[in-house]
Amino acid sequence: DSGVTQTPKHLITATGQRVTLRCSPRSGDLSVYWYQQSLDQGLQFLIQYYNGEERAKGNILERFSAQQFPDLHSELNLSSLELGDSALYFCASSVKTTGHYNEQFFGPGTRLTVL
Amino acid sequence: AQTVTQSQPEMSVQEAETVTLSCTYDTSESDYYLFWYKQPPSRQMILVIRQEAYKQQNATENRFSVNFQKAAKSFSLKISDSQLGDAAMYFCAYRTGRDDKIIFGKGTRLHILP
Repeated sequence: DSGVTQTPKHLITATGQRVTLRCSPRSGDLSVYWYQQSLDQGLQFLIQYYNGEERAKGNILERFSAQQFPDLHSELNLSSLELGDSALYFCASSVKTTGHYNEQFFGPGTRLTVL
Repeated sequence: AQTVTQSQPEMSVQEAETVTLSCTYDTSESDYYLFWYKQPPSRQMILVIRQEAYKQQNATENRFSVNFQKAAKSFSLKISDSQLGDAAMYFCAYRTGRDDKIIFGKGTRLHILP
């Protein structure tokens, strides 16, 4: 158990719908990362938040957005869902101390199926 | 842009034997980290081993060791005394020293034969 929690574990929805994935980082971790694992694209970085602010962006679609709240939990919002959005979405967290290596601890993932 | 390439989609090894998983990467940076992650059937991402680019010594974690060839941009993982619990997808990954974004290879599925 990494200490990172993600809810829900599974999500099944229809094309065109909107869903919200939730992530609670490890206690004390200020940085949250979102990754998408799909058959087509493999594992790819989506976005990073640090202490409530967006810090880095990867190949995140405009239909996707994220935020980190004052209690440091994060939500990934996926809208206008398409079949190709079906994937395993991971959240990871790290302490993020400038100048030092920070291991990213991965949550168990949310399996999204778009029908 | 940085890329990570794993040329072996699948490999098999006999239990108790040694296996090496290959990985190459491309970068113009001098400060970076390399990793091997394990993803068992549970889908949990588990960090196996880490290598800092500035360190010449190859990293070792129990039965897992790497062969880091910086000039060749090669980073292979050796698993000694393979165990049934080692069966998983293994991802080679790269991270710059500038930010925390991790770039993953496509993965190598490792089968352990009893």
